[in-house]
Amino acid sequence: SQQGEEDPQALSIQEGENATMNCSYKTSINNLQWYRQNSGRGLVHLILIRSNEREKHSGRLRVTLDTSKKSSSLLITASRAADTASYFCATDLREGYNKLIFGAGTRLAVHP
Amino acid sequence: DAMVIQNPRYQVTQFGKPVTLSCSQTLNHNVMYWYQQKSSQAPKLLFHYYDKDFNNEADTPDNFQSRRPNTSFCFLDIRSPGLGDAAMYLCATSRAKGGAAYNEQFFGPGTRLTVL
Repeated sequence: SQQGEEDPQALSIQEGENATMNCSYKTSINNLQWYRQNSGRGLVHLILIRSNEREKHSGRLRVTLDTSKKSSSLLITASRAADTASYFCATDLREGYNKLIFGAGTRLAVHP
Repeated sequence: DAMVIQNPRYQVTQFGKPVTLSCSQTLNHNVMYWYQQKSSQAPKLLFHYYDKDFNNEADTPDNFQSRRPNTSFCFLDIRSPGLGDAAMYLCATSRAKGGAAYNEQFFGPGTRLTVL
């Protein structure tokens, strides 16, 4: 069964605007990760946030995690046309080695 | 550069004709994964290897098999492809050591399988 649910399913914005994507999940997690996928390509890891963390930054990316609500958000600030891609959250349920369960993804289109 | 390589990038097979997809890695990671991703859907884990230990997902059809002859290579065998098996197949790796997980997964570019 799918662990993560993402919304919106699709997001269309102009260059320079911020993009916010949300992810909800069902069970307790060890960490939550965000990945990016350009059309027809493999996934690229963006950022990982552990269950005891609330916020994390990496460049123009900001991720929050609310374990009480079982939700996370990914904010991309000052978006660029090159940010156009699908973004997936993935939950990692246990220590030792990771076995990820992916959400359905948000398709982001950034228009010049 | 260290990477995950998948061959071929595009594979066309006929209904019922066995097909093998390959994955190799230069990262020396001990965990390798195979995912199936259908159009506009989430990647779905089929199975993974922790070193030589094979771990099958409960809902992975018996039609899908895997081999890992050494650390670097992993193969996905589809014994009798059906039309519903047309998808992107993604290979990924990660490093795990002594109970400490290095949780990021590294993905190959994928093989797009078409079944005629």
